Amino acid sequence: GAVVSQHPSRVICKSGTSVKIECRSLDFQATTMFWYRQFPKQSLMLMATSNEGSKATYEQGVEKDKFLINHASLTLSTLTVTSAHPEDSSFYICSARGTSETQYFGPGTRLLVL
Amino acid sequence: KQEVTQIPAALSVPEGENLVLNCSFTDSAIYNLQWFRQDPGKGLTSLLLIQSSQREQTSGRLNASLDKSSGRSTLYIAASQPGDSATYLCALRGGYQKVTFGTGTKLQVIP
Repeated sequence: GAVVSQHPSRVICKSGTSVKIECRSLDFQATTMFWYRQFPKQSLMLMATSNEGSKATYEQGVEKDKFLINHASLTLSTLTVTSAHPEDSSFYICSARGTSETQYFGPGTRLLVL
Repeated sequence: KQEVTQIPAALSVPEGENLVLNCSFTDSAIYNLQWFRQDPGKGLTSLLLIQSSQREQTSGRLNASLDKSSGRSTLYIAASQPGDSATYLCALRGGYQKVTFGTGTKLQVIP
């Protein structure tokens, strides 16, 4: 089946720095990519939807200036957490959709902000 | 707005038991339903995907069912093993590509 990778799988950073997370579709072209976030003991929540070459659509309550999403190619989307703070520590997962209706999920990235 | 509930939140069973995990949803207008497992500190592993037109899917010791009319899906695990210990999430894909996840059931299989 289709494979989606994320890099890095874990990252620790200092408060105030920016962190970039990559999401790649390895064997298909992803016209749409999604970013989710999981708070401890809560379900995954959709943050934003991005279509290749377009600006991302953010869910209500998600700060677009804090969580920068770029989907510059059909196989790569990036999520940049700017000026990270400890409350941004979370588990971030991307998913990708190609021509089929199925979304394929990445393995996730665990971010810890000190 | 789709609401997805998984009960129980935690479950502990002895090795070898058959068990059922439940997933309830409020909006039956879905495209598909997917079951994942999440191991501590790790990402999601997709287990089974059921399309809206299907009633069940099987993979090895796992069987997932879907009943849209009652807003329920179940994940049946046969002959449970300690390696099955993980958090199990169901996720529903509805309109506009939106996926809604349940809060998960944390399963512990005791040797």
